[in-house]
Amino acid sequence: EVQLVESGGGLVQPGGSLRLSCAASGFAFSSYSLNWVRQAPGKGLEWISYIGISTTTIFHADSVKGRFTISRDNAKNSLYLQMNSLKDEDTAVYYCVRDWHYSFDFWGQGVLVTVSS
Amino acid sequence: QTVVTQEPSLSVSPGATVTLTCGLGSGSVSTNHFPSWYQQMPGQAPRSLIYYTENRSSGVPDRFSGAILENKAALTITGAQADDESDYYCVLYMGSGTNWVFGGGTKLTVL
Repeated sequence: EVQLVESGGGLVQPGGSLRLSCAASGFAFSSYSLNWVRQAPGKGLEWISYIGISTTTIFHADSVKGRFTISRDNAKNSLYLQMNSLKDEDTAVYYCVRDWHYSFDFWGQGVLVTVSS
Repeated sequence: QTVVTQEPSLSVSPGATVTLTCGLGSGSVSTNHFPSWYQQMPGQAPRSLIYYTENRSSGVPDRFSGAILENKAALTITGAQADDESDYYCVLYMGSGTNWVFGGGTKLTVL
């Protein structure tokens, strides 16, 4: 069974940093590209980051470019999102999502990040 | 800035058919945008329904179907059921750089 379990969320002050983790199991982790997708409270979904099978292929949405960094450790079956210079508008549930044919086939349960003073 | 449009809300009677659409603010949607669809129940993570325009994800009932209709991606639910009441999102692949853009979502009511 494919499982994606996010962790590392919480309350952080504006300007602060947080690192999200996603532990994967049930599939050949190193053979799949991965994404982070977020959802602000009561709002829609927003794609924010992608990392390919080869870690040389990385994309970030303009809204987080220069502040967030996606990475992966295939030996640990883990995906990460380093979030710096956090803003109020980064408050959201963050989902770890597996990529499949340019779509998102499996989603984690999400982790809440709250940016507030 | 790329805008992906969806109906904010739709309603359907039980057993009836409803089509949700996914368009581009400027331009036509094609299979090259790899349109995909997701269902999100309240308080839950999204679930994949359709990928690459028309392919059903594993375990998705065949009453859900995808297509390109009149320059938009479309999700059709044939014989709607009460538990289809949910939020539905489409996403389009816009190429390297912009990558994926979600629509604003459609809140479907079955009544």
